[in-house]
Amino acid sequence: AQKVTQAQTEISVVEKEDVTLDCVYETRDTTYYLFWYKQPPSGELVFLIRRNSFDEQNEISGRYSWNFQKSTSSFNFTITASQVVDSAVYFCALSREWNSGGSNYKLTFGKGTLLTVNP
Amino acid sequence: KAGVTQTPRYLIKTRGQQVTLSCSPISGHRSVSWYQQTPGQGLQFLFEYFSETQRNKGNFPGRFSGRQFSNSRSEMNVSTLELGDSALYLCASSPHPWLGGSYEQYFGPGTRLTVT
Repeated sequence: AQKVTQAQTEISVVEKEDVTLDCVYETRDTTYYLFWYKQPPSGELVFLIRRNSFDEQNEISGRYSWNFQKSTSSFNFTITASQVVDSAVYFCALSREWNSGGSNYKLTFGKGTLLTVNP
Repeated sequence: KAGVTQTPRYLIKTRGQQVTLSCSPISGHRSVSWYQQTPGQGLQFLFEYFSETQRNKGNFPGRFSGRQFSNSRSEMNVSTLELGDSALYLCASSPHPWLGGSYEQYFGPGTRLTVT
């Protein structure tokens, strides 16, 4: 069975602070995908990143960066110099790879972390 | 390119009624997945359709059903509504069958269903 844990339910920071959102996952598969989605108050899930389990390189996209550590089953997300517009619920998700056998190809989401960035 | 659209955006129903929600995927996308989001259970997978066929189903009772049309638009139906069905129902589209994480899924804004 797959599981994603986002231990931080809520985080509140002041604008321009750096913030890291934690994500720990469990899976028996050797190949899998990890995702981060942002959900602003409008409700729509906005795709941020997809990472294959074989690619442990960290990634940076503007103020966003992701630290994937297979050894600790973690896929953490850091926002540098946070802005008020970053306020949202952030979800980490896990999916099996297509040839993992069987079915159950769905996104398994964590409970989400509510990030509030105050001016 | 227009995104995923869902109608209606908000809905209020009474316990025991049934409801139909609609999802139009991104043009050219043929896979549609449905998710339920509640404060208690979080985001949970309902089912996925590709080429008018249900390929995958989550752990929900038979009251939850869906279908997909030849133009890839999808509907989900919930019969005999219960208070616990109150949730945000999200639809996601993908250009190909959802084969694990091979492709991104693009989500719509959701339909917020309230059952009273």
